[in-house]
Amino acid sequence: DAKTTQPNSMESNEEEPVHLPCNHSTISGTDYIHWYRQLPSQGPEYVIHGLTSNVNNRMASLAIAEDRKSSTLILHRATLRDAAVYYCILRMGGGSNYKLTFGKGTLLTVNP
Amino acid sequence: DAMVIQNPRYQVTQFGKPVTLSCSQTLNHNVMYWYQQKSSQAPKLLFHYYDKDFNNEADTPDNFQSRRPNTSFCFLDIRSPGLGDAAMYLCATSEDRGTTEAFFGQGTRLTVV
Repeated sequence: DAKTTQPNSMESNEEEPVHLPCNHSTISGTDYIHWYRQLPSQGPEYVIHGLTSNVNNRMASLAIAEDRKSSTLILHRATLRDAAVYYCILRMGGGSNYKLTFGKGTLLTVNP
Repeated sequence: DAMVIQNPRYQVTQFGKPVTLSCSQTLNHNVMYWYQQKSSQAPKLLFHYYDKDFNNEADTPDNFQSRRPNTSFCFLDIRSPGLGDAAMYLCATSEDRGTTEAFFGQGTRLTVV
């Protein structure tokens, strides 16, 4: 399985942008980059995913490097509710490696 | 409306007494997953079903079993719970491709006494 590397923790201030990095140097051409987050005492929830182009949705933006070996999840204005563990995960677009396997993730702390 | 439902939210069981956790989904996804998550750790995949095909992770202990009687339901059976099996158990569903998102339940917190 292609692996991802994330910082263990990051800190931000409320209402400031947050850039959460992820390295995936062994990504294959058919791997989608997924981001999930887990708030305290809850199950993980989907944030965003992409293949090659940058993606935006109501929760966040995903910036994907041109060589696809890294990506950045962008929270445009962090709120206290965004404090969570953020996981960057690779999933194959088709074929047998569709399963969702978690790495260690980044613990995001948001200061008021 | 919750799409992946886990029952119960909290379960207390006795050491060595079999326990079953349940998960149901309304998404009609063909893949269902079970994860174990211990305190301050990432979720660890135990196994998953692709339709009725069971796929065990290599390091999942034999003490953990699963059943999927139909598309909507999946069960996690712990045959002889030990103190080390106390954890949050998460169920998730997805389609069998990475082009779509996965959905998670709220988890069942298992305590072994």
